[in-house]
Amino acid sequence: EVQLVESGGGLVQPGGSLRLSCAASGFTFSDHYMDWVRQAPGKGLEWVGRCRNKANTYTTEYAASVKGRFTISRDDSKNSLYLQMNSLKTEDTAVYYCARVTVVSGSYHFGDWGQGTLVTVSS
Amino acid sequence: DIQLTQSPSTLSASVGDRVTITCRASQSISSWLAWYQQKPGKAPNLLIYKASSLESGVPSRFSGSGSETEFTLTISSLQPDDFATYYCQQYKSYPLTFGGGTKVEIK
Repeated sequence: EVQLVESGGGLVQPGGSLRLSCAASGFTFSDHYMDWVRQAPGKGLEWVGRCRNKANTYTTEYAASVKGRFTISRDDSKNSLYLQMNSLKTEDTAVYYCARVTVVSGSYHFGDWGQGTLVTVSS
Repeated sequence: DIQLTQSPSTLSASVGDRVTITCRASQSISSWLAWYQQKPGKAPNLLIYKASSLESGVPSRFSGSGSETEFTLTISSLQPDDFATYYCQQYKSYPLTFGGGTKVEIK
């Protein structure tokens, strides 16, 4: 069974930093692209960014709203995905989900999601 | 960026109703569209990928259709477990984007 478990959320002041982790199990983590998606309270889903697999040299993509402030990385030896968030703003307040990208017939969709971790940016 | 516009934003329906949700893309995305269901306090759950492929384990009352810029998610006979919010998502190009969501409420 695929499991994705996020951790590291909490309350942080504007301008602060936080590092989220996503522990994966039940599949070959190193084979998969992994993404972060967030959801502000009462709002819709917003894609944050992607980390490709080793075969694609761990390259990353980011949403414009977080580019230059957030960094996605992974440690395949620990089956873990990370999101380093710097220069946090109040508008970064959201539940952050990690998601596994499933590839079927050329389709790169989100096959599995974690339960999410809440990040609150407030003074 | 590719914008996805879902309609309606809220839908009131009864058990047994046929329900259709529309997702329009601001430019062609071929068939690179997924649909997700989300219940309050829970993570989204994949229903449909590549516009019309049913994810394993998802009830057959869910179906997807469309291509290029216009897509639909249909629930053939609404069940009590289906009251939730539904999102479309495109993965044709970065940044990946989601529609604004459609909340299906009990009439």
